[in-house]
This record gives sequence, C-alpha cells and structure tokens, in this order.
Amino acid sequence: ELKVEQNPLFLSMQEGKNYTIYCNYSTTSDRLYWYRQDPGKSLESLFVLLSNGAVKQEGRLMASLDTKARLSTLHITAAVHDLSATYFCAGAQGGSEKLVFGKGTKLTVNP
Amino acid sequence: NADVTQTPKFQVLKTGQSMTLQCAQDMNHEYMSWYRQDPGMGLRLIHYSVGAGITDQGEVPNGYNVSRSTTEDFPLRLLSAAPSQTSVYFCASRPVLGQGTDTQYFGPGTRLTVL
Repeated sequence: ELKVEQNPLFLSMQEGKNYTIYCNYSTTSDRLYWYRQDPGKSLESLFVLLSNGAVKQEGRLMASLDTKARLSTLHITAAVHDLSATYFCAGAQGGSEKLVFGKGTKLTVNP
Repeated sequence: NADVTQTPKFQVLKTGQSMTLQCAQDMNHEYMSWYRQDPGMGLRLIHYSVGAGITDQGEVPNGYNVSRSTTEDFPLRLLSAAPSQTSVYFCASRPVLGQGTDTQYFGPGTRLTVL
C-alpha cells in the first residue's frame, strides 16, 4: 500500500531565501502531484509529474521527480510572502486511480 | 470556465441525521472522487468513480455511500452522521489516465459539523 511522507511539516523562512520540501513515497507511483492550499480555501494544482527525471517550473517553484529514489522535491527560490500556504504532494500507486496525500507542509514566509 | 461545484458550503447536523453532499462538474471528466480533510491528516480518499455506474471505496469509506448515475454528478451520502465525521469535504474530478492533462480539479469544499 502506498504511503506518502512529506517533510518538513512546518517551515518558516525569510523572504529571499531558498528552500526545498521533500516528498517520499513507499512503493511505485506512476505520477506525483503537488498542490497548494491557502487557509480556508480549496486545493490548487501546481504540478503533475509523470516520469522519472521530470522537472517542472512555475515562477519561484520548481518540482522534480526521481522514481528510483521514490522522491519528489518542491524547490522554492527567493521566497516571497505570497508563497505562504500549505503544500501537499500526492502519489498514485501504479495503474490505480486512487491518490494518496502527504500530510502537507505549512510554509510561512516572513518579511 | 472549468468548474467543480459543491453544495452546501456549510452544514451542521445532529448525531444520527442523514444528508447528501452534492458535487457536480462541467468538464465531462470520467474520474470523480470525495476526500475528507482533517487537521494534521492531509486529505483522505472516501470513495471514487471512474465513470457513470462505477464506484469504488477509498481509504475511509465507512459511514458514507456514493452513486454515479451521470457523468456530471457524484453525490456523497452520510447515512447516520457521527461526530467523527466532522470535517471539510472536497470533491474532485479529472480525466481518466492518459486521456487528458491528469490535472485534478477540486471543488470549494463543504464544512460539516456533527453535534
């Protein structure tokens, strides 16, 4: 059964700094999703990673997938306050339609 | 605009009452799902459907029923509400694998309190 673990669960950083959120998963996952959630709001899709070595970038966020290490990362470059949110990764076991979510990383970017 | 709608936005129930959470999408997506979100737990899959007439259980299905009579609608029924079902419920939809962008769209959520 697929398990997804994110770390850290809480991250406080200063504006302008770089940091990485890690998403480990326990068994084969043929795709990996990253979502953003603002307080009291729904989830917004950020990235869908479908193959080993996939890298996607949008603004200050870059996501990558290493299927051999069972690891995805979300890298934040030169953080700004607007990036403060909770970030979730989710994986799907090979061939399954079911998504398994990590517990989320609450990111706070301080001025 | 592509949209997943959920009603109601807020609901308070008493223990033992039943109700249906509504979910609809206008993107002709085959795959629809229901999640619950509890503090510190991430999102957990309750039930999902890969098309009209086809449903299956997720991680936490007990106490919930679903049906899928049309592509657009996927209601979630609470049979006899319990305080443990107090949560925020999200509906989501996307194309089935290999037939689209694989992006999953979430509805705005229903905040349910069971007293």
